[in-house]
Amino acid sequence: ETGVTQTPRHLVMGMTNKKSLKCEQHLGHNAMYWYKQSAKKPLELMFVYNFKEQTENNSVPSRFSPECPNSSHLFLHLHTLQPEDSALYLCASSQVPGISYNSPLHFGNGTRLTVT
Amino acid sequence: AQSVTQLDSQVPVFEEAPVELRCNYSSSVSVYLFWYVQYPNQGLQLLLKYLSGSTLVKGINGFEAEFNKSQTSFHLRKPSVHISDTAEYFCAVRENSGGSNYKLTFGKGTLLTVNP
Repeated sequence: ETGVTQTPRHLVMGMTNKKSLKCEQHLGHNAMYWYKQSAKKPLELMFVYNFKEQTENNSVPSRFSPECPNSSHLFLHLHTLQPEDSALYLCASSQVPGISYNSPLHFGNGTRLTVT
Repeated sequence: AQSVTQLDSQVPVFEEAPVELRCNYSSSVSVYLFWYVQYPNQGLQLLLKYLSGSTLVKGINGFEAEFNKSQTSFHLRKPSVHISDTAEYFCAVRENSGGSNYKLTFGKGTLLTVNP
């Protein structure tokens, strides 16, 4: 049990589909993150939410739309994706730096996304 | 801006042998340093972290790392590895420059394969 739960674990979608990834953390954290992990590349930070407010959008295409209704839940809405978007999408949480600068990230097990 | 270089993409070793996974970073300010481990089909798990103080840091599963400021390195070591240590290992750095975002920069990862 990692404390950060992601669903679904696997997702196959066509380029015209709309789907959503869900992340839930049970650690009492107040910051949540989406990362993209592609083969042979470093983890790419996509979005950061502190206290439900988006504080970082790392030049992510608009076909990825995040939503953070509260500090425990984070969604990533997907639409009209491209095959190159196939990757492992990781959610993470932490305490917001400033309250605890040294709070490490806690990751979920990820959603393996395949775009056909 | 900070960057992380993991010099070896793959490290094969035999069971009970010692191992060192190398990590070098660059930054214009002081940093916090982390090693994460990713087992197959799982998210990343914190192995150990250097924040301040003693440059030799001990983590879980018998791993340790040493921060060398002059060489800007944070190499990970284990004196005797087990088959179960087979995983991908990621070095990460965060600049100690304040701010409200927890922006970790990750290396590309080193795949450690332990053979019987």
